[in-house]
Amino acid sequence: EPEVTQTPSHQVTQMGQEVILRCVPISNHLYFYWYRQILGQKVEFLVSFYNNEISEKSEIFDDQFSVERPDGSNFTLKIRSTKLEDSAMYFCASSGPGGSGQPQHFGDGTRLSIL
Amino acid sequence: GQQVMQIPQYQHVQEGEDFTTYCNSSTTLSNIQWYKQRPGGHPVFLIQLVKSGEVKKQKRLTFQFGEAKKNSSLHITATQTTDVGTYFCAGYTGRRALTFGSGTRLQVQP
Repeated sequence: EPEVTQTPSHQVTQMGQEVILRCVPISNHLYFYWYRQILGQKVEFLVSFYNNEISEKSEIFDDQFSVERPDGSNFTLKIRSTKLEDSAMYFCASSGPGGSGQPQHFGDGTRLSIL
Repeated sequence: GQQVMQIPQYQHVQEGEDFTTYCNSSTTLSNIQWYKQRPGGHPVFLIQLVKSGEVKKQKRLTFQFGEAKKNSSLHITATQTTDVGTYFCAGYTGRRALTFGSGTRLQVQP
C-alpha cells in the first residue's frame, strides 16, 4: 500500500537555526498538509497545499514557517529561527482528489528537538 | 475558532469490557473523521461520517454522527489489547483542514 514518507525521523537542532523537514506524499494525491503534535497533546493543523500554493494555514503557521514543493515528489516544511517551543512531532499528510472529506494519510513523522 | 473536545481524556479498561469516547464540536461539521494513533505512531484513518444521524460499524467498532452534526461517538465492544492507542475525532467545517479533537487515550489491561 502506498505510504507517505518523511525524513529525517529525528532532527536535533540548536535554537535559532533553520530546519527543513521533508515529505514524499502518495504519488497520485493532490492535497498536502503539515501538522504538529507536541508530546502528549492533540494533532494541530499547520498548513494545506494544493496546486503549488498554500490553500489554508492556521495561526500557528506564521512568518517563521514556509512550505515548498521543489519538484514533482517532495513537499517540505522550513522552520526559520527555531525556538524551544517548536520542539514537537511534525506530521506530513496527503489526500486524494475531492479535497474536504477525503481521508488523510499520515507519514511516520519527524521528531524535532530544539536545544 | 472551531473547538473539538473529547471525553474522557483517558480510559483504562479490562480486556473484554466495552469502551466509548465522545466528541463534541463548537460548530456544525460538514463531516467527521476518526483516527487511531498507536503509542509512538502516526494517526491512521478509521472512518468518515457525513450524514446527520449516520451510524457505521467496523467489526467491533461502532461510529455515530449526531443529528445536529456537532457530536459523534465511537464505541468499541469487547476491547482487545490491540485496541490500545489514542482515538481522535477530527472535523471539517468545509475547509480543507482537519481540526483534531483532544483525543481519548485507551489502555486495555489483559
